[in-house]
Amino acid sequence: GAVVSQHPSRVICKSGTSVKIECRSLDFQATTMFWYRQFPKKSLMLMATSNEGSKATYEQGVEKDKFLINHASLTLSTLTVTSAHPEDSSFYICSAPTGLEQYFGPGTRLTVT
Amino acid sequence: KQEVTQIPAALSVPEGENLVLNCSFTDSAIYNLQWFRQDPGKGLTSLLLIQSSQREQTSGRLNASLDKSSGRSTLYIAASQPGDSATYLCAVHSNSGYALNFGKGTSLLVTP
Repeated sequence: GAVVSQHPSRVICKSGTSVKIECRSLDFQATTMFWYRQFPKKSLMLMATSNEGSKATYEQGVEKDKFLINHASLTLSTLTVTSAHPEDSSFYICSAPTGLEQYFGPGTRLTVT
Repeated sequence: KQEVTQIPAALSVPEGENLVLNCSFTDSAIYNLQWFRQDPGKGLTSLLLIQSSQREQTSGRLNASLDKSSGRSTLYIAASQPGDSATYLCAVHSNSGYALNFGKGTSLLVTP
């Protein structure tokens, strides 16, 4: 099956700093990628849809100025958490569709101290 | 808006038992449905994908069924093993190219 990678897998940062998470489709092109967030013992909630060459579409309640998304190429989308706060600590997962399925990255555990 | 519900939220069974996990969704106009496994602190592993035109899919000890008209899917696990312990997520794909709508998952514990 198709492979999606995420980097980093874990990151710890201090409050007020920004963190960039990369999502790459390794063996296929993805004009669309999705970013999800998962709180402890909760399900995945869609944050935004990343569109190659155009602006991302954010779900209701997600601050677009805080969670910056850039889909610079057909294989790379980045999520930047700006001015991170402890409440931004979470598990972030990206996915990319190809064919019938969506393929998920392994996730990034963000801890803001 | 599509709502996905999974029952039970948690389940504990002794090794060897057969078990059924349930998933229901509110909008029957779906593209496909996927079952995932998630181990603690890890990403998602896709188990089975059922297209809207299909009734079931099987992989090893796993069998997933889909009744689109009633908005239900079940994941059947035969002869459960301690290694099956994980959270199982049901996700509905409402349209090609769209994001998945996830249920809250069923946390499964299989005891030796």
